[in-house]
Amino acid sequence: AQKVTQAQTEISVVEKEDVTLDCVYETRDTTYYLFWYKQPPSGELVFLIRRNSFDEQNEISGRYSWNFQKSTSSFNFTITASQVVDSAVYFCALSEGKFAYYGGSQGNLIFGKGTKLSVKP
Amino acid sequence: DAGITQSPRHKVTETGTPVTLRCHQTENHRYMYWYRQDPGHGLRLIHYSYGVKDTDKGEVSDGYSVSRSKTEDFLLTLESATSSQTSVYFCAISESTTGNTEAFFGQGTRLTVV
Repeated sequence: AQKVTQAQTEISVVEKEDVTLDCVYETRDTTYYLFWYKQPPSGELVFLIRRNSFDEQNEISGRYSWNFQKSTSSFNFTITASQVVDSAVYFCALSEGKFAYYGGSQGNLIFGKGTKLSVKP
Repeated sequence: DAGITQSPRHKVTETGTPVTLRCHQTENHRYMYWYRQDPGHGLRLIHYSYGVKDTDKGEVSDGYSVSRSKTEDFLLTLESATSSQTSVYFCAISESTTGNTEAFFGQGTRLTVV
């Protein structure tokens, strides 16, 4: 069965610190996709990144970077030089690579329970 | 921003009453989803749709029904609201199954059942 674990419920850092949010997933599929979403205090869900199971390259986007390691089933998210605006709940999610016409899960997202990040000035 | 509108944004209703939440999209995406968000649970899938009149159950579908008569609209109905259905409800859309593309979310509907 699919499962996503975000062991850190809450993290508090001081501005300019680096912070890593952990995500561990479980799936039996060889084809799957991993996502990170951000939910700021305003409540909307903002897509950050999608990664497929065949691409283990790390990705960097500005202050954000992601480390995907299939060997440990982890997809960790690092914010460098954190800012107050980074304060949010961050969700990691997993989707298997099934297609609608094949039946199955339809590739729905399975979310972790989220990590609340507080960045203090 | 993806064109997704949820209505209403906030609703308070009494136990036992029927409630319908609406999700409207302007992106012409095939797939639509309803999730609920509760503290300590993250987001959980209620129902999803893979086309007009094609819907299926998700992880927490008991007490909910859905309908999709047009590509752009996906309705979530609580037949007889209970306090356990107090939650924030999110609609999402995706161009293909969410494995292949990202899902975009609406702004959420906060439902309180008293």
